[in-house]
Amino acid sequence: KAGVTQTPRYLIKTRGQQVTLSCSPISGHRSVSWYQQTPGQGLQFLFEYFSETQRNKGNFPGRFSGRQFSNSRSEMNVSTLELGDSALYLCASSHRAAGTNTGELFFGEGSRLTVL
Amino acid sequence: AQSVAQPEDQVNVAEGNPLTVKCTYSVSGNPYLFWYVQYPNRGLQFLLKYITGDNLVKGSYGFEAEFNKSQTSFHLKKPSALVSDSALYFCAVRDRSETDKLIFGTGTRLQVFP
Repeated sequence: KAGVTQTPRYLIKTRGQQVTLSCSPISGHRSVSWYQQTPGQGLQFLFEYFSETQRNKGNFPGRFSGRQFSNSRSEMNVSTLELGDSALYLCASSHRAAGTNTGELFFGEGSRLTVL
Repeated sequence: AQSVAQPEDQVNVAEGNPLTVKCTYSVSGNPYLFWYVQYPNRGLQFLLKYITGDNLVKGSYGFEAEFNKSQTSFHLKKPSALVSDSALYFCAVRDRSETDKLIFGTGTRLQVFP
């Protein structure tokens, strides 16, 4: 069974540009969430999607957005990039049914964004 | 609000010795606790979780964790460390039972010396 796939793995952008990151969850997983990892702030939650609906959102500015498609694949977009957006962006999926979820998250390898 | 604390930035241990990576938590309601490991330039790998039941949880690669409700701790342990265990370890708590959102600790770097 293939794991969580994130593309691209590495990318370099300049300030003011925008970027779109993609995540394909494990087959059968309908829940996808995104995290930002930086040396200073650690792992911070960005969003959570389930069945194409955003269920939860972290404390990030509106420049950060996401969506989920009917096949459970997800994308996140960051507009007007700032130097501080340089980070490893991690996507995770889970086999979550409606209601209480006790399962673990399965993470992808991440997309490392460098903003110059 | 839920939170976890990892009091040690780094833990050093000799190969073959037991290791402990500490984690304490603060939650309202029942805690759903997790340990993940991260190798350089990689994503997070799930090690183990505590949802309910036995306080000693066994996980991947010979790791185990002990849930202690009175001390609000969930320490990660391994009886005999390997050099290949050297990595960054994260403790996490689920924000609420109906969400996937995890709140992570700051991470502990484990260094196992030959």
